[in-house]
Amino acid sequence: ILNVEQSPQSLHVQEGDSTNFTCSFPSSNFYALHWYRWETAKSPEALFVMTLNGDEKKKGRISATLNTKEGYSYLYIKGSQPEDSATYLCASVTGGSYIPTFGRGTSLIVHP
Amino acid sequence: DAMVIQNPRYQVTQFGKPVTLSCSQTLNHNVMYWYQQKSSQAPKLLFHYYDKDFNNEADTPDNFQSRRPNTSFCFLDIRSPGLGDAAMYLCATTNQGQPQHFGDGTRLSIL
Repeated sequence: ILNVEQSPQSLHVQEGDSTNFTCSFPSSNFYALHWYRWETAKSPEALFVMTLNGDEKKKGRISATLNTKEGYSYLYIKGSQPEDSATYLCASVTGGSYIPTFGRGTSLIVHP
Repeated sequence: DAMVIQNPRYQVTQFGKPVTLSCSQTLNHNVMYWYQQKSSQAPKLLFHYYDKDFNNEADTPDNFQSRRPNTSFCFLDIRSPGLGDAAMYLCATTNQGQPQHFGDGTRLSIL
């Protein structure tokens, strides 16, 4: 994998559903993986910083896992609420440059 | 309180008329970034500064320039905007390797 890829591109779920999406990134020279939530008319906000293979982070109903050897991270949302509606971006940071490379994001819409 | 402030939130300019977008930060971060983001696409890095060291991405058009007069401020100048430059422009700051703090963005429209 040369670029950061996120799937799916968009997702519609009902309130209460649990959901997950994927971020794939180059595994060579890995430094960190960042997840952001970007709500409409607001600035992207950092959710998680993940650095170690096997890392698992949690914030309320949202959690994320990291596999640096195969180059992927999953973001899970348990019991989605309408306020979870946002675009979720991941960014891969490689050692040396420390410049993040972003994926296109997954747009999540949670219907009441 | 907002820590990365972009002005204006919305900018409308005419085709070919120069425009300047501004970004200020109160975090004293040493790295500042400018991104261009078009609908359903990944934010595309245009420039970044590590302190005063300017780094231009290889595929950033010559039409785009940037200035960072001090730690707190950074400007994006578009010399002759074309229709393809209509986008959201995001400014972000960080200390190297840490997650970024973003401004709310400037939505640029070209008439």
